[in-house]
Amino acid sequence: DAKTTQPPSMDCAEGRAANLPCNHSTISGNEYVYWYRQIHSQGPQYIIHGLKNNETNEMASLIITEDRKSSTLILPHATLRDTAVYYCIVWEGSARQLTFGSGTQLTVLP
Amino acid sequence: DTGVSQDPRHKITKRGQNVTFRCDPISEHNRLYWYRQTLGQGPEFLTYFQNEAQLEKSRLLSDRFSAERPKGSFSTLEIQRTEQGDSAMYLCASSRMGGPQHFGDGTRLSIL
Repeated sequence: DAKTTQPPSMDCAEGRAANLPCNHSTISGNEYVYWYRQIHSQGPQYIIHGLKNNETNEMASLIITEDRKSSTLILPHATLRDTAVYYCIVWEGSARQLTFGSGTQLTVLP
Repeated sequence: DTGVSQDPRHKITKRGQNVTFRCDPISEHNRLYWYRQTLGQGPEFLTYFQNEAQLEKSRLLSDRFSAERPKGSFSTLEIQRTEQGDSAMYLCASSRMGGPQHFGDGTRLSIL
């Protein structure tokens, strides 16, 4: 079973920041927070991951709370192409599979 | 980095037929994974290879399903005697040890 809770849907205006929350209150000390997104009819796309510290790459920023019980994925300037289902996944590095929940359907509005 | 490639992208077959899908991982990735995704759901894990060894299989992988990765490079997933419930998107992913999994765009299977 997925160890994360995400809102089922969110809207964001084009050009604005999209902030996608994720709760993972049972996360263990050696588990990472991973974010993927899935655009319709495509496979999941890796976005970013982190353990304790905030992370940033060319796609997004990941903010993890100090107690690690929740995190936020930030898309700084959302575009229409960012419309997708976003999955927050807790993953321990030696585990084989990723366990996907239902994710958040982000719709970027013009 | 050409990404994970899956073939075919779409497969339509009659119930009872056998089907085989192919996955070509990112070349330096030694880990390969198969997932299944039904409409409106997130992907579900099926099986995992490290090099040519199949190290883990999900309960979802019934006896009609078999996966191989003969030389530790590409992999095939075969479904024998297909059933209506096998209709789904079959996704392949690959990774380096400890690295993020990178997915292909899947094979969509439709059973008539």
